[in-house]
Amino acid sequence: EAGVAQSPRYKIIEKRQSVAFWCNPISGHATLYWYQQILGQGPKLLIQFQNNGVVDDSQLPKDRFSAERLKGVDSTLKIQPAKLEDSAVYLCASSLYGPHFYNEQFFGPGTRLTVL
Amino acid sequence: GQQLNQSPQSMFIQEGEDVSMNCTSSSIFNTWLWYKQDPGEGPVLLIALYKAGELTSNGRLTAQFGITRKDSFLNISASIPSDVGIYFCAGPPYGGATNKLIFGTGTLLAVQP
Repeated sequence: EAGVAQSPRYKIIEKRQSVAFWCNPISGHATLYWYQQILGQGPKLLIQFQNNGVVDDSQLPKDRFSAERLKGVDSTLKIQPAKLEDSAVYLCASSLYGPHFYNEQFFGPGTRLTVL
Repeated sequence: GQQLNQSPQSMFIQEGEDVSMNCTSSSIFNTWLWYKQDPGEGPVLLIALYKAGELTSNGRLTAQFGITRKDSFLNISASIPSDVGIYFCAGPPYGGATNKLIFGTGTLLAVQP
């Protein structure tokens, strides 16, 4: 079974530029998550989708971050404009739908973003 | 906000040694999860615990859900070089949305052959 796919793996941009990340979850997983992991810390949830609807985006900096999952499968996360403090690994995860399944999330390899 | 504190922050051990690490919270959790993250990869779920007092094993790994529901422990027996990585505890806080995981601060494990 294929895992969660993310691209690109690495991205270097200058501050105030924009960047987009792509995620393809495990087939059949209705729930998709985007996390931000700053160096030396655990992942922090940015946004959660159930199919193509947003369940939780309370920790998404909406003035610069946006995400969509138009057909309930792939998702993109965008940052515009980027700030230095956005340097981090952006992880995508997916899970089946249901109480325990929410807890058992499968992660992709992440995109490492460096903002100069 | 809620936070999970892990200790120790890092461990440097010899191959074959046993390892113990723990995770504590100021609030109750109704599920505890342990993940391992290899360099350049996303976290991988190792063990899930759903009941206070529960003890669950996965090969050389054993995890326990603390009786107070505010802590959890992970033990690795007879460590090997591939155990190297960062270990995170995580869970949805009691009374919060079950889909929202809080991750701990992580324990870095280094194993010398």
